Amino acid sequence: GENVEQHPSTLSVQEGDSAVIKCTYSDSASNYFPWYKQELGKRPQLIIDIRSNVGEKKDQRIAVTLNKTAKHFSLHITETQPEDSAVYFCAVVGNFGNEKLTFGTGTRLTIIP
Amino acid sequence: EPEVTQTPSHQVTQMGQEVILRCVPISNHLYFYWYRQILGQKVEFLVSFYNNEISEKSEIFDDQFSVERPDGSNFTLKIRSTKLEDSAMYFCASSEMAVRGTIYFGEGSWLTVV
Repeated sequence: GENVEQHPSTLSVQEGDSAVIKCTYSDSASNYFPWYKQELGKRPQLIIDIRSNVGEKKDQRIAVTLNKTAKHFSLHITETQPEDSAVYFCAVVGNFGNEKLTFGTGTRLTIIP
Repeated sequence: EPEVTQTPSHQVTQMGQEVILRCVPISNHLYFYWYRQILGQKVEFLVSFYNNEISEKSEIFDDQFSVERPDGSNFTLKIRSTKLEDSAMYFCASSEMAVRGTIYFGEGSWLTVV
């Protein structure tokens, strides 16, 4: 089955700086790559996603890049703010007909004021 | 904005007891899921459900687990004989077939087995 690795497990950045979280996956047929933000005790919230026919997508301070050849994708958060502090999970959905999300192990992001 | 709703938000149960967790998916969605998250760990897939049958299940989803769509709106997860290791947050989720892969999560049901 799909294997998703996520790094780093914890990340602390100064407010205003950028944060980058990286994930690699194993199944080359995977075609959908969402990122979720989870605050303590809350549900995962979709923050951005990218599909396999696109190399980069941006939404205000958040961007995701995808390298299908290398089978990795990254989340970039610029101009970080204290409210960005949370656990971030990458996830992967496989090929057509497979609706299952396989999650990474999560990154605890702390923004230092 | 439509949301996936779950009940109960928190349940404490004795080991060996049966538990039913309930979910109301978003009304025009056709794919339904259960995921679980043990405290401090990643979210894990349990089961997907489409067209009134299980489409995929993980190795976690053994004979102690079952899912049902008893009517046009509810989607339930039953654990027949709970074990201590079933203590976790259980998330229901749904997705619209036309937007394959965009999965929306409910707020979760926190299950504590004692």
